[in-house]
Amino acid sequence: KQEVTQIPAALSVPEGENLVLNCSFTDSAIYNLQWFRQDPGKGLTSLLLIQSSQREQTSGRLNASLDKSSGRSTLYIAASQPGDSATYLCAVRQERNRDDKIIFGKGTRLHILP
Amino acid sequence: AAGVIQSPRHLIKEKRETATLKCYPIPRHDTVYWYQQGPGQDPQFLISFYEKMQSDKGSIPDRFSAQQFSDYHSELNMSSLELGDSALYFCASSMLRGSGTEAFFGQGTRLTVV
Repeated sequence: KQEVTQIPAALSVPEGENLVLNCSFTDSAIYNLQWFRQDPGKGLTSLLLIQSSQREQTSGRLNASLDKSSGRSTLYIAASQPGDSATYLCAVRQERNRDDKIIFGKGTRLHILP
Repeated sequence: AAGVIQSPRHLIKEKRETATLKCYPIPRHDTVYWYQQGPGQDPQFLISFYEKMQSDKGSIPDRFSAQQFSDYHSELNMSSLELGDSALYFCASSMLRGSGTEAFFGQGTRLTVV
C-alpha cells in the first residue's frame, strides 16, 4: 500500500530564508508527483508536477526534485515571503495493479515570520 | 481555461439528512476522482470513475454512493449524514487514465453537518 510521508509536519522560518520541504513515498511505481499549496479552509492550488521520468521542475521561486528510485521528492522555496505561509501537500499518482489514484501526504504547515 | 467546477461550494445539512455534491470535470477529461478532507487532515481518496464506470474505490462509507453521467459530470450522494461527515469534499479530473497526465482539482464543497 502506497504511503506518502512529509517532513517536517510544521515549519516556522524568518522571511527571506530559503527552505526545503521533504516528501517520501513507499512505492516507486508512480506516474507523477505533484506539490500543492492549501490555505486554511481553501482548495488545493497546484504548484508543480513532476513526471516519473523527470528529475525536477521549476516555477519562479519554487523548485521541486524527484528521485523516483529512492522514493523522495523535495520542494525548495527560495527567498521565502510571508505570503508563502500555507500548508504544502505532496501527492503521488500511483500506477500499481492497474490502480489510478492520487495519494496525499499529511502536509507541511509552513509559517513565514515577517 | 475551464477548470473543474464543484457545486455547491457550501452546504449545511442536519444529521440523518441526505446531500448531493456535483462535479463538472474539465472538457474531454475521462477520469473523475472524489476526495474527503476532514479538519486538519490530508485528502482521503473516496472513489473514481473512468469513462462513466467506477474504476477505483477507497475509504468510502456504504452510506455514500457516486456515479458519473453521460456528460461526464459526477455526483456524490451522501445519506444518513453524521457529524463526522463534515469535511471539504474535492473532485478532480484528468484525461487518459493511466497516462500520468496532471489531475486538476476543483475548489471543493464544504459540507457542515449539524
